[in-house]
Amino acid sequence: GQQVMQIPQYQHVQEGEDFTTYCNSSTTLSNIQWYKQRPGGHPVFLIQLVKSGEVKKQKRLTFQFGEAKKNSSLHITATQTTDVGTYFCAAPTGTASKLTFGTGTRLQVTL
Amino acid sequence: DAGVIQSPRHEVTEMGQEVTLRCKPISGHNSLFWYRQTMMRGLELLIYFNNNVPIDDSGMPEDRFSAKMPNASFSTLKIQPSEPRDSAVYFCASSFPGGGEQYFGPGTRLTVT
Repeated sequence: GQQVMQIPQYQHVQEGEDFTTYCNSSTTLSNIQWYKQRPGGHPVFLIQLVKSGEVKKQKRLTFQFGEAKKNSSLHITATQTTDVGTYFCAAPTGTASKLTFGTGTRLQVTL
Repeated sequence: DAGVIQSPRHEVTEMGQEVTLRCKPISGHNSLFWYRQTMMRGLELLIYFNNNVPIDDSGMPEDRFSAKMPNASFSTLKIQPSEPRDSAVYFCASSFPGGGEQYFGPGTRLTVT
């Protein structure tokens, strides 16, 4: 079945440094979603990308969808301690409603 | 809206006991999903429903797991008998049909001793 891989699995940065997580699929995706899960919390939807080459920004977060629609990235500029958590990408699999979640990237930010 | 509601939030039980997890989706959402999250296996989809009908249960680990959705506002996930390897956080999520954003509940942390 479809697999969605994320790298890195874990990243530790100092506050103010940038952070990027990458999501890769072996198949072309109709769209990709990103979620954030705080420690002890539940996944929360951040954004959905649909178009080839699409770039969307949310304050310090920049989301990109690859031209071939097989990869995506999330970049955080000048991380803050509030960015701590695990970031997941997710893509539709098989039937339209079902999502396959990536393995996640855990971000730790220290002062 | 209160969001997706799950109960209980924590459950500790002994091996062999029956466990029932409950979920109330967001009103108006037609799709409901049950996920399991562990350190080793990440976030796994167990089963999902569209309009109260189970569509894909290929993620259900084995016959010990069953899920029902008797109406649009309630779903249960039952484990009988429970085993220590079932220990995990179980999330319920809901969405409009068609693969849009999913809204997750707070989860049930299950510990089987």
